[in-house]
Amino acid sequence: QVQLQESGPGLVKPSQTLSLTCTVSSGSINSGGFHWNWIRQLPGGGLEWIGSVYYTGSTFYNPSLESRVTISVDVSENRFFLELTSVTAADTAVYYCAREFYSSWYRYFDFWGQGTLLTVSS
Amino acid sequence: ELVLTQSPGTLSLSPGERATLSCSPSHTVSNNFLAWYQQKPGQAPRLLIFRASTRATGIPDRFSGSWSGTDFTLTISRLEPEDFAVYYCQQFDSSSVTFGGGTKVEIK
Repeated sequence: QVQLQESGPGLVKPSQTLSLTCTVSSGSINSGGFHWNWIRQLPGGGLEWIGSVYYTGSTFYNPSLESRVTISVDVSENRFFLELTSVTAADTAVYYCAREFYSSWYRYFDFWGQGTLLTVSS
Repeated sequence: ELVLTQSPGTLSLSPGERATLSCSPSHTVSNNFLAWYQQKPGQAPRLLIFRASTRATGIPDRFSGSWSGTDFTLTISRLEPEDFAVYYCQQFDSSSVTFGGGTKVEIK
């Protein structure tokens, strides 16, 4: 079954740019019918959707984060990426990548990475 | 902006009991795009239910989803020890995604 694995620096300084990678295995990122998502879990436990990318490069972003977020995809490497600029302590969270099954009739997140903790601190 | 309100915040029950979790949207949403997830400490969320009432692959039939009017319900018919966890509802709404705040099901 599909596996997703996040990777990133673990610690970022305030005002810097956060960069994370999600590597997809046992499945092709350019399979139609799936969007590839970033979701974070804040220290209080709440889940927040960041955005998604389709294999063509089309993106959708959470309006509350859109000004700071870029999600991109590398089909040849079967990976997708998150960049979040101007980070603050409020961006400290566990970041998950997840596959979204997408159809006109229903949608859901069926496979998730294990998550990576990103701490913003000087 | 859609808000999903989950209640109760915490449910204290014993193994074998029935759990009823509620998810109330701030405005009418399509049941086709409502899902439920289970999360245990240190783990990613796990898909339980999609399309409001369809169990995901491998999910035991003690888990069921339903809706009435605008509200959605996740029911665990008889709690097993491994069911004590946090449960989230989630909705795809036009071009955004919203999660509820979660209900923690704890051992009484």
